Amino acid sequence: GAVVSQHPSRVICKSGTSVKIECRSLDFQATTMFWYRQFPKQSLMLMATSNEGSKATYEQGVEKDKFLINHASLTLSTLTVTSAHPEDSSFYICSATDRNEQFFGPGTRLTVL
Amino acid sequence: GENVEQHPSTLSVQEGDSAVIKCTYSDSASNYFPWYKQELGKRPQLIIDIRSNVGEKKDQRIAVTLNKTAKHFSLHITETQPEDSAVYFCAAFPQGAQKLVFGQGTRLTINP
Repeated sequence: GAVVSQHPSRVICKSGTSVKIECRSLDFQATTMFWYRQFPKQSLMLMATSNEGSKATYEQGVEKDKFLINHASLTLSTLTVTSAHPEDSSFYICSATDRNEQFFGPGTRLTVL
Repeated sequence: GENVEQHPSTLSVQEGDSAVIKCTYSDSASNYFPWYKQELGKRPQLIIDIRSNVGEKKDQRIAVTLNKTAKHFSLHITETQPEDSAVYFCAAFPQGAQKLVFGQGTRLTINP
């Protein structure tokens, strides 16, 4: 199947700093990518839909100024967590759709101290 | 919008027995229903899916059934093995919505 990569896999940062996470579709083009957040023992919660060449669509309750999304090319979307705080610590997973099947990246575990 | 409910939240079965996980959805326009398996700290992996024009699909020890009238679908795992232990998520894909809506997940434990 299609491959989605994510970088970094783990990041630890101090409170107040910004963290950028990259999501790449390696062998297909993705006009749409999705960003999820998963807290321990919980389901995947969709944060936003990243659209190539246009603004991202955020889910209700997700602050667009805190979670900046850029989808500058057909193979790359980035999520920047700005002014991170401990409550932002979570597992962030991106996904992309290829031929009606959704493929997930390996996830990024963010720990904010 | 679409809402997906998944039960049970935890399930423990003896190795070799069968496991069944059920999901209901609210949007009758949903037409694609995948099931994902997620091991601790890893990405969800698609294990089986079904589309609304099919009532049942089977792949070796895994099967999925869909009842469109009742708006529910189920995952069946037979002859369970310890490596089946994981969290399983159902999802629904509303037609035209371009995004999956996930159930809450079921933590399946296979006891040797």
